[in-house]
Amino acid sequence: GENVEQHPSTLSVQEGDSAVIKCTYSDSASNYFPWYKQELGKGPQLIIDIRSNVGEKKDQRIAVTLNKTAKHFSLHITETQPEDSAVYFCAAKGGNTPLVFGKGTRLSVIA
Amino acid sequence: NAGVTQTPKFRVLKTGQSMTLLCAQDMNHEYMYWYRQDPGMGLRLIHYSVGEGTTAKGEVPDGYNVSRLKKQNFLLGLESAAPSQTSVYFCASATGGTSYEQYFGPGTRLTVT
Repeated sequence: GENVEQHPSTLSVQEGDSAVIKCTYSDSASNYFPWYKQELGKGPQLIIDIRSNVGEKKDQRIAVTLNKTAKHFSLHITETQPEDSAVYFCAAKGGNTPLVFGKGTRLSVIA
Repeated sequence: NAGVTQTPKFRVLKTGQSMTLLCAQDMNHEYMYWYRQDPGMGLRLIHYSVGEGTTAKGEVPDGYNVSRLKKQNFLLGLESAAPSQTSVYFCASATGGTSYEQYFGPGTRLTVT
């Protein structure tokens, strides 16, 4: 089955700097790659996703890139703000199989 | 529109006791999921359902049972709780089809002593 590895497990950045979180997946049939943000005491919430026919997608300060050949995808957050502090999860899915999540990255934005 | 709700929010059980966690969604979603979240382990899928009356096993199904008698509800049962089942449990729902976005509930924190 699918296996998703996520790095780093923790990340601290200064406010205004960029943050990058990377994930790799094992199943070449996977074609959907979402990123979820989990704030303290809440359930995860989708912030951006990308499908395998697209190499990059942007939404304001966040972007996701996908390299299907290398089987990795990344989340980029620019101009980080304190409210970006949270746990971020990547995930991968292919066909009729359920989403498989990475282990998460705890991002701290230091003011 | 409440989205996905979970009952209860907190629970403490003794080893061997049983309980049922209730998940309800008011978005008419076909798909529903139960996950557990443990420190450093991410979100692991316990069971899921692709429609009323259907259930399927996820990555970590042992020790849990589920039922989806009504489209809007997905129940997770622990027949004989063990300390290893201490975790935060999240329910999620999704439209299905080509829309894969999952909407998560607020979670249930379960402690088994």
